[in-house]
Amino acid sequence: ILNVEQSPQSLHVQEGDSTNFTCSFPSSNFYALHWYRWETAKSPEALFVMTLNGDEKKKGRISATLNTKEGYSYLYIKGSQPEDSATYLCAFNNAGNMLTFGGGTRLMVKP
Amino acid sequence: AAGVIQSPRHLIKEKRETATLKCYPIPRHDTVYWYQQGPGQDPQFLISFYEKMQSDKGSIPDRFSAQQFSDYHSELNMSSLELGDSALYFCASSEQGANYGYTFGSGTRLTVV
Repeated sequence: ILNVEQSPQSLHVQEGDSTNFTCSFPSSNFYALHWYRWETAKSPEALFVMTLNGDEKKKGRISATLNTKEGYSYLYIKGSQPEDSATYLCAFNNAGNMLTFGGGTRLMVKP
Repeated sequence: AAGVIQSPRHLIKEKRETATLKCYPIPRHDTVYWYQQGPGQDPQFLISFYEKMQSDKGSIPDRFSAQQFSDYHSELNMSSLELGDSALYFCASSEQGANYGYTFGSGTRLTVV
């Protein structure tokens, strides 16, 4: 059983705050690390797929970094907006095509 | 753009009944995955198919079976339903390879009463 952990479980921030959260995963047999954004009543939406140690990816105000040697990835949101409120899931791929998901970080941005 | 289509959206079944969930992947996606998410739980991988063959198997009960058809759609068959099978069932599709993210369907919410 692969252990993929996300912290914190939930986070409340004010509009305009920048925030970040963590995904930790096994450092052996790394293949890819995915980040998904999941809004209530919708299906998860792919944000990033990261495959190389040191990868940094950016999409608008959201960016992510990857450290495969120590087994963690950070997701950053700059200047949070209420529409950023969602659950952010990371998922680890260890050389199969199957993803093991973390428990998610539920972000709530207050106007 | 076409997305992953799941049907039905909601399903209510009684204990010991059978349910069939359907998933239509994005055209040209050759891999389909099924995930189960119970109330308050992480999504759990059930099974996946690549080019109509089973490729990985996760925590899928023996009462469940699945297949991928020649048109790449997939069906998850669940028999002898139990109360604990009540969950959101997601299907996702992707192209093969580490660089491709999954595209998820909207899920089927199964309630067993």
